[in-house]
Amino acid sequence: EIVLTQSPATLSLSPGERATLSCRASQSVSSYLAWYQQKLGQAPRLLIYDASNRATGIPARFSGSGSGTDFTLTISSLEPEDFAVYYCQQRSSWPLLTFGGGTKVEIK
Amino acid sequence: QVQLVQSGAEVKKPGASVKVSCKASGNTFTSYYIHWVRQAPGQGLEWMGIINPSVGNTNYTQKFQDRVTMTRDTSTTTVYMELSSLRSEDTAVYYCARGGRKGLQRVYYYGMDVWGQGTTVTVSS
Repeated sequence: EIVLTQSPATLSLSPGERATLSCRASQSVSSYLAWYQQKLGQAPRLLIYDASNRATGIPARFSGSGSGTDFTLTISSLEPEDFAVYYCQQRSSWPLLTFGGGTKVEIK
Repeated sequence: QVQLVQSGAEVKKPGASVKVSCKASGNTFTSYYIHWVRQAPGQGLEWMGIINPSVGNTNYTQKFQDRVTMTRDTSTTTVYMELSSLRSEDTAVYYCARGGRKGLQRVYYYGMDVWGQGTTVTVSS
């Protein structure tokens, strides 16, 4: 099973700051990585697929990069609604998928 | 617009089974794979398995291999997830999500772009 490790576990930032979230895979997943945002009490929301493609309706301040084993989700300037938990997910081992453990972005 | 609507909350005793439904609206039911993902209280997302509604074939993560069954009913455009031998650790919110479309020679996957609202399953004696 491909294990995804996200860091840091918690990121404390202020609105307007840049957020950089990391996801590392236990083996190469090529570019088959997605990112999701989840707010308390809500279902996850797709942000990025295939490492760098924004999903429909996702603001341009969200961007993804990386390939192989190291990936990054960047939020260029945090808006109040961006404080949430973020998960990465790989599909390299389709049809068996896995999620990372999540990074919480909280208000400093 | 495609929507996934899940069945209501369940309370079960240890050792029992639970069956959660996920009804898809729209006319693309057999075109997209459906995944089941769960989230225990205060924990992260855990992928459980996948079903191809077109032919009904499934794949499960090893952790649930012997306890989970995913099925579908094409006449009602509904997918089901049944988990047996429930224990307290199965207390969680269970989500269905659409992700991946089978093409002629490959799968087209653009993330899990449509999610159900979640079903809370509580296992308690």
